[in-house]
Amino acid sequence: GDSVTQTEGLVTLTEGLPVMLNCTYQTIYSNPFLFWYVQHLNESPRLLLKSFTDNKRTEHQGFHATLHKSSSSFHLQKSSAQLSDSALYYCALSDHNVLYFGSGTKLTVEP
Amino acid sequence: GGIITQTPKFLIGQEGQKLTLKCQQNFNHDTMYWYRQDSGKGLRLIYYSITENDLQKGDLSEGYDASREKKSSFSLTVTSAQKNEMAVFLCASFDRGNTEVFFGKGTRLTVV
Repeated sequence: GDSVTQTEGLVTLTEGLPVMLNCTYQTIYSNPFLFWYVQHLNESPRLLLKSFTDNKRTEHQGFHATLHKSSSSFHLQKSSAQLSDSALYYCALSDHNVLYFGSGTKLTVEP
Repeated sequence: GGIITQTPKFLIGQEGQKLTLKCQQNFNHDTMYWYRQDSGKGLRLIYYSITENDLQKGDLSEGYDASREKKSSFSLTVTSAQKNEMAVFLCASFDRGNTEVFFGKGTRLTVV
């Protein structure tokens, strides 16, 4: 079945350093949608960015990700972490009916 | 814009009790979901529904029932609450046109 793997459960960074959160997926669907959702403390998850186009960079709020179907990856990156980026980040895969989430990566940015 | 309203916000139940969580959306979305959120385990799908009166089981459906009697509402029942069960249950709906899922604020369940 469809699945999403996020290898890092916890990531701690110093403000100003680059961010990279890993996401790989498995699906039988040839045209999957991939998403990154962000959940701040005491809030519900909200969409950060999404893509279904192979090898095309998508950007939002300083974050970017590129869907690579050849490696089944959709890693999230940011050039310089901010304190306000501290949150739980979920990678997700859609077969156009259901959204399958990874286990999440908790990002903590320290001064 | 629309909103997803989950009630109650906090739910305390006793072991073995049947508990119902409710969700309403005014987006007019066809598809709705119930996810369970546990620390370190991500968001796991319990049930989803692609239209009124439709129900589809997710990976975590055992121990739960669901009901979609109206397009705008989707309820989840914990059939027999397990002691020390603590989790947040998130209801969501799918905007098919923009390929985006919107979440409610969640119901936090504690079983004593």
